[in-house]
Amino acid sequence: AQTVTQSQPEMSVQEAETVTLSCTYDTSENNYYLFWYKQPPSRQMILVIRQEAYKQQNATENRFSVNFQKAAKSFSLKISDSQLGDTAMYFCAFMRGGFSGNTPLVFGKGTRLSVIA
Amino acid sequence: DTGVSQNPRHKITKRGQNVTFRCDPISEHNRLYWYRQTLGQGPEFLTYFQNEAQLEKSRLLSDRFSAERPKGSFSTLEIQRTEQGDSAMYLCASSLKNSYNEQFFGPGTRLTVL
Repeated sequence: AQTVTQSQPEMSVQEAETVTLSCTYDTSENNYYLFWYKQPPSRQMILVIRQEAYKQQNATENRFSVNFQKAAKSFSLKISDSQLGDTAMYFCAFMRGGFSGNTPLVFGKGTRLSVIA
Repeated sequence: DTGVSQNPRHKITKRGQNVTFRCDPISEHNRLYWYRQTLGQGPEFLTYFQNEAQLEKSRLLSDRFSAERPKGSFSTLEIQRTEQGDSAMYLCASSLKNSYNEQFFGPGTRLTVL
């Protein structure tokens, strides 16, 4: 079974600064996908960024980037130029690959990020 | 509206009552997922469908829980004889089978069992 661990329950960052959220995972699979989802207060979950395990290049989406270390089973999220709208719960999630297609996600417990003006 | 919708958004019930939630996925999505999220935790997988077929159920899904997707479109999740421990946010998500991209989440149904 896969597990996802987020060791930082809460973090805060000043507006315009950079913050990094940590995530580690455990799996025996070689083919899988990793995600960071954002859940703003009282709003629905949305995808922030996605990484395929077979790609060595780290994914980047505007101000969001990841540091994917496959051997260490680490998948951290870096948010640059933090904005007040980034305040949310952030969840790291794992999806197994293979021929089954899009399959259920395994989530970490989340990190509550507060961006301070 | 082209997103995932869930109804009701909030449900308060007394212990022992039955409740039913509905999820309407994005229309072209053939996979539909149910997750449960308790306060301060990440979502936990309950069950998922491809079209009308239920592909997998989590061990979290006790006999009191049943889910259906009768015509491969909307889905219902029923909880019988509710217990206080069932209080949680129930999230629905949908996706295309042959896509390893995101699952699109609905706003959730918050259940409170008194």
